[in-house]
Amino acid sequence: GDSVTQMEGPVTLSEEAFLTINCTYTATGYPSLFWYVQYPGEGLQLLLKATKADDKGSNKGFEATYRKETTSFHLEKGSVQVSDSAVYFCALVLGGKLTFGQGTILTVHP
Amino acid sequence: EADIYQTPRYLVIGTGKKITLECSQTMGHDKMYWYQQDPGMELHLIHYSYGVNSTEKGDLSSESTVSRIRTEHFPLTLESARPSHTSQYLCASSVGRLAGGYEQYFGPGTRLTVT
Repeated sequence: GDSVTQMEGPVTLSEEAFLTINCTYTATGYPSLFWYVQYPGEGLQLLLKATKADDKGSNKGFEATYRKETTSFHLEKGSVQVSDSAVYFCALVLGGKLTFGQGTILTVHP
Repeated sequence: EADIYQTPRYLVIGTGKKITLECSQTMGHDKMYWYQQDPGMELHLIHYSYGVNSTEKGDLSSESTVSRIRTEHFPLTLESARPSHTSQYLCASSVGRLAGGYEQYFGPGTRLTVT
């Protein structure tokens, strides 16, 4: 079946550091890819998305590029802030079904 | 901004009680979902609905039941709560009747504790 594998956390960074959270997927078809973020005590919010190969999703300084050849959708941010501390989920949608990765905890220290 | 609501946000209840977790959305979405999120953060789909009077079980077996009598409302019921039901429950909705790459919009969640 379809699956998403994320870089294991937790990830701890200092403010203004560069962030990469790796995400790879396995799918029987051609999925759409998403990054969701969950702040403490809240539900999931869509952070960015890409629907076809080479698409780059971006939002709030975060970026991810849909790489079909490597089946990857790595999340990056050039300079993280304390307010970016949250849990990040990579996900794919195929056939109307959403499949999540296991989540990566990010903690950013001042 | 997504308009999907869950009540209550927090619930502490004794074993054996019947509970209903409410979920409503004002976006007119056909598809709605319930996820259970364990302490390790992983999300598991427990129920989904593709429209009124349509409900299906998800990937994770659950003793809960759901109903979809109105498009905007998708409540989840536990007839007899047990400590093993302690978890975070997230409701979501999405557009589209056909298979497609539509994102899901999530409510704030209900954190259930069964003592």
